[in-house]
Amino acid sequence: QLQLQESGPGLVKPSETLSLTCTVSGGSISSSSYYWGWIRQPPGKGLEWIGSIYYSGSTYYNPSLKSRVTISVDTSKNQFSLKLSSVTAADTAVYYCARHCSPPVQCFDPWGQGTLVTVSS
Amino acid sequence: QSALTQPASVSGSPGQSITISCTGTSSDVGGYNYVSWYQQHPGKAPKLMIYDVSNRPSGVSNRFSGSKSGNTASLTISGLQAEDEADYYCSSYTSSSTHWVFGGGTKLTVL
Repeated sequence: QLQLQESGPGLVKPSETLSLTCTVSGGSISSSSYYWGWIRQPPGKGLEWIGSIYYSGSTYYNPSLKSRVTISVDTSKNQFSLKLSSVTAADTAVYYCARHCSPPVQCFDPWGQGTLVTVSS
Repeated sequence: QSALTQPASVSGSPGQSITISCTGTSSDVGGYNYVSWYQQHPGKAPKLMIYDVSNRPSGVSNRFSGSKSGNTASLTISGLQAEDEADYYCSSYTSSSTHWVFGGGTKLTVL
């Protein structure tokens, strides 16, 4: 059974870079034609797609965050990562990693448990 | 403000049926059959309940069904059970550069 687990600091200072890693277990990140994504949920608000990556390294991002986001993959560790620079309080959210469904199906499944990142000095 | 519009809350009694709507535009919900629905219990990860408008993943109860008419998609839960009490989010692929949009979520209360 495929499982995803987010990890990283729970507190980041304003203007610094948020860094999170998603570790995939129960399957290989480089098998089949899956994209892997990051999605966030500010407290009390809805979900927002951040960006996604293919095992080859091909990426696409939400334009509203593109200038600050970098998503990378490490197939040797079966992980993919998120970096969000110049963070502000508005970036405080629960961050989820998820696998895209296998094309042509379009959805996200499964998701990690999520990790709360608070931006505060 | 979320790209897709959902009611903030709905409620129903055990055994009843409820429907949650998800309204978008012709660029997302209305333009593609790529609407999915997620169930989220407090403190838990979202769980895929419906994909591609009306398909259920293996293991999801057939009490959950999805449909779409124009720019509005709907999730119907029949035979409500206490365990269905959760937040529900819709999502759609979009032709805009945003690629993926979500609704603001609907809190389902089982009375």
